[in-house]
Amino acid sequence: DARVTQTPRHKVTEMGQEVTMRCQPILGHNTVFWYRQTMMQGLELLAYFRNRAPLDDSGMPKDRFSAEMPDATLATLKIQPSEPRDSAVYFCASGLGQGDSPLHFGNGTRLTVT
Amino acid sequence: GESVGLHLPTLSVQEGDNSIINCAYSNSASDYFIWYKQESGKGPQFIIDIRSNMDKRQGQRVTVLLNKTVKHLSLQIAATQPGDSAVYFCAENRAAGNKLTFGGGTRVLVKP
Repeated sequence: DARVTQTPRHKVTEMGQEVTMRCQPILGHNTVFWYRQTMMQGLELLAYFRNRAPLDDSGMPKDRFSAEMPDATLATLKIQPSEPRDSAVYFCASGLGQGDSPLHFGNGTRLTVT
Repeated sequence: GESVGLHLPTLSVQEGDNSIINCAYSNSASDYFIWYKQESGKGPQFIIDIRSNMDKRQGQRVTVLLNKTVKHLSLQIAATQPGDSAVYFCAENRAAGNKLTFGGGTRVLVKP
């Protein structure tokens, strides 16, 4: 089965350090999404790419977060500097870019910032 | 695994019974809806979807019902099994191109 792959699965870091999370979308999918999941906020959309171009990153704190797609097989989400409030599970999802097709999610990166 | 919310509504179901999970959506312009299942330590997994031109769709042991008049979506699971224990999310597509907005989730606990 084709699947979205995320690395690392777990990351523990100290406040102030840079964190990079990676995602390999499903081959042939042209949309990539980053979501954050916390106990209090549920699933929040952070950023959204179509054909590697960022379309919407309004959910992302711009001063410390950045999302890129260096190529069609890799999406990255960086936090610099990280803060304890960034602790969450970060999910990447990819899709066909059609309004009536589902997104497929990876198993997430659990980030803990101490 | 992930705890997706201490305040999630919880549905306790006896193994073998049917489950019904409800979801209200707010945007009458939404035209595509999906149910996802999330197990501990995993990402949301697609279960079933429905377009706004339909009011019912069936899959294997699952049925989704859409009532556009009252903006309500439900997921019915037949003969619930222990493996169905998870958090279930509804999601709506509010704009063209796959951009989904998720509901808060419902935890289903299956009692043996």
